[in-house]
Amino acid sequence: AQSVTQLDSQVPVFEEAPVELRCNYSSSVSVYLFWYVQYPNQGLQLLLKYLSGSTLVKGINGFEAEFNKSQTSFHLRKPSVHISDTAEYFCAVSNQAGTALIFGKGTTLSVSS
Amino acid sequence: GAVVSQHPSWVICKSGTSVKIECRSLDFQATTMFWYRQFPKQSLMLMATSNEGSKATYEQGVEKDKFLINHASLTLSTLTVTSAHPEDSSFYICSARQGAGEQYFGPGTRLTVT
Repeated sequence: AQSVTQLDSQVPVFEEAPVELRCNYSSSVSVYLFWYVQYPNQGLQLLLKYLSGSTLVKGINGFEAEFNKSQTSFHLRKPSVHISDTAEYFCAVSNQAGTALIFGKGTTLSVSS
Repeated sequence: GAVVSQHPSWVICKSGTSVKIECRSLDFQATTMFWYRQFPKQSLMLMATSNEGSKATYEQGVEKDKFLINHASLTLSTLTVTSAHPEDSSFYICSARQGAGEQYFGPGTRLTVT
């Protein structure tokens, strides 16, 4: 069975500071990994995904993530955050492209000035 | 990118009544749609997977007689919460995919049962 662990439930940071949101997964088969962002009372927007190839994945809004198979991690990073990045971030995994996703519990990123 | 809509965006109903939520893929044909449920401050939990023209596959613990899912066309899936109770109050999110492609998520429907 697959599972996703987001290690931090809340991450407060100041504007223009770097941020890392941590995600670890467990799976006995090959995985596809995703990061989604959810703004209040809205659906999910895909930030980036890892399906295969380069382990460093760049996404929208200046975010990037690195797939580390040995550490079973897929941490999300941004070198300089903005107030508008305040939102809930979900890491997710699936064992095939397009199948149902298993989500982590989410990390609340709060950016203040 | 592909767009998925949900209707209504929020609904309040009385305990014991039924509520239907629609999920539409606006610019692509969705061979598969997924229904998720999200409690406040929690993650999304998959409720069921529906393929067009087939019966939905429900996750363990989800009552199929209570949460009726219909995927009658390639652009529309509906979730009907029957005999709703306050504990059914939640945020319901659908997603849709074409073939083995990426999932696209709808904006969600907030259900409040009084």
